[in-house]
Amino acid sequence: NAGVMQNPRHLVRRRGQEARLRCSPMKGHSHVYWYRQLPEEGLKFMVYLQKENIIDESGMPKERFSAEFPKEGPSILRIQQVVRGDSAAYFCASSPPVPGMGRTGAGYTFGSGTRLTVV
Amino acid sequence: GENVEQHPSTLSVQEGDSAVIKCTYSDSASNYFPWYKQELGKRPQLIIDIRSNVGEKKDQRIAVTLNKTAKHFSLHITETQPEDSAVYFCAASIGGATNKLIFGTGTLLAVQP
Repeated sequence: NAGVMQNPRHLVRRRGQEARLRCSPMKGHSHVYWYRQLPEEGLKFMVYLQKENIIDESGMPKERFSAEFPKEGPSILRIQQVVRGDSAAYFCASSPPVPGMGRTGAGYTFGSGTRLTVV
Repeated sequence: GENVEQHPSTLSVQEGDSAVIKCTYSDSASNYFPWYKQELGKRPQLIIDIRSNVGEKKDQRIAVTLNKTAKHFSLHITETQPEDSAVYFCAASIGGATNKLIFGTGTLLAVQP
């Protein structure tokens, strides 16, 4: 099991460009979550998706940010017209339908993150 | 809105001592409480979790306690070792569904050899 795969690991964008972050969940996981982590801060919830559905996007900024999880392929977090304040680590996590059920460790599994730097 | 508070923000202990990190949550419907360890530049990794029908859970040197009435839960690490040094995050599920987690702000634990 390859775990949660995120790419790219590092992404540098100039102000005004678009950033696309990809996340492939663990095999058998149908739920994907995106979190943003600013330097020396905690994990801020952005969006929760299932295949072809956005379940909860209450943490997404109203403008420039969008997310999708198509029937085929990875989940994509898209940031349009990036600004310096978007610089952060973006972590994706996946889970089975009900994290925490069953044996310990059946909850969220995080990817290695994408570190976005806007210059 | 939903909130998880975590204390302390930094904790320094001597090797072999115990470390305790405390969290409180606001959503009375929360029923799943995981703890994650994040080493510098790496992904958060689940170390232990507890559900609301259990008051305490232990896994070797790590234990978690939950007080539903007070909406408190704590992480206890005994016989700390230098490799325990990391940032620890607590989290609570939101809205009665265990699918969405809100995280605390993290505790930087430094174990001095």
